[in-house]
Amino acid sequence: DTAVSQTPKYLVTQMGNDKSIKCEQNLGHDTMYWYKQDSKKFLKIMFSYNNKELIINETVPNRFSPKSPDKAHLNLHINSLELGDSAVYFCASSQYGTSGSFGQFFGPGTRLTVL
Amino acid sequence: KNEVEQSPQNLTAQEGEFITINCSYSVGISALHWLQQHPGGGIVSLFMLSSGKKKHGRLIATINIQEKHSSLHITASHPRDSAVYICAATEGGADGLTFGKGTHLIIQP
Repeated sequence: DTAVSQTPKYLVTQMGNDKSIKCEQNLGHDTMYWYKQDSKKFLKIMFSYNNKELIINETVPNRFSPKSPDKAHLNLHINSLELGDSAVYFCASSQYGTSGSFGQFFGPGTRLTVL
Repeated sequence: KNEVEQSPQNLTAQEGEFITINCSYSVGISALHWLQQHPGGGIVSLFMLSSGKKKHGRLIATINIQEKHSSLHITASHPRDSAVYICAATEGGADGLTFGKGTHLIIQP
């Protein structure tokens, strides 16, 4: 069973379009994240969400919005796509707090290419 | 805002060598993570630690909270260990990870 899944794996689209990436976890975790990996392979947090609190990285444009229909899902909506949005987007999940031995579990990534 | 620095950026070694990757961070954290990213792109969590030392197979991770420093060691390295190793810090709660730039490790047979 896949712990954290993302769809689609690849997304190619035109500038100006609106697109969504879906993420689901079956680990029973209560906190989910979206990360962006740029062309230089550097990872950066975009959002974290634990069904009560949304923490937004202030550098993320408001064209990006997370939507969580329930605790197991955190989708990423992107409006008016720009060339600079091309990247690999990773979803991850964890249990709230880090005092235990649980790390973060990552999805396989979605490679977004904006033409 | 936490700054996470890793060294070296690139490391090439021969099979069997003992490998050390270093990580330092600038502010207090609740946990330090070591991640592995294979050429295929998937990211796997290797360790999460807040004090002391953890071992899993040939991998060992240590952290010194006072010095704000962590190391990842690989004993008896093997070509299948070739990957990017990423250090990341979290300050707790629902905060996401702040990542280092990664260490690209190549183990030659």
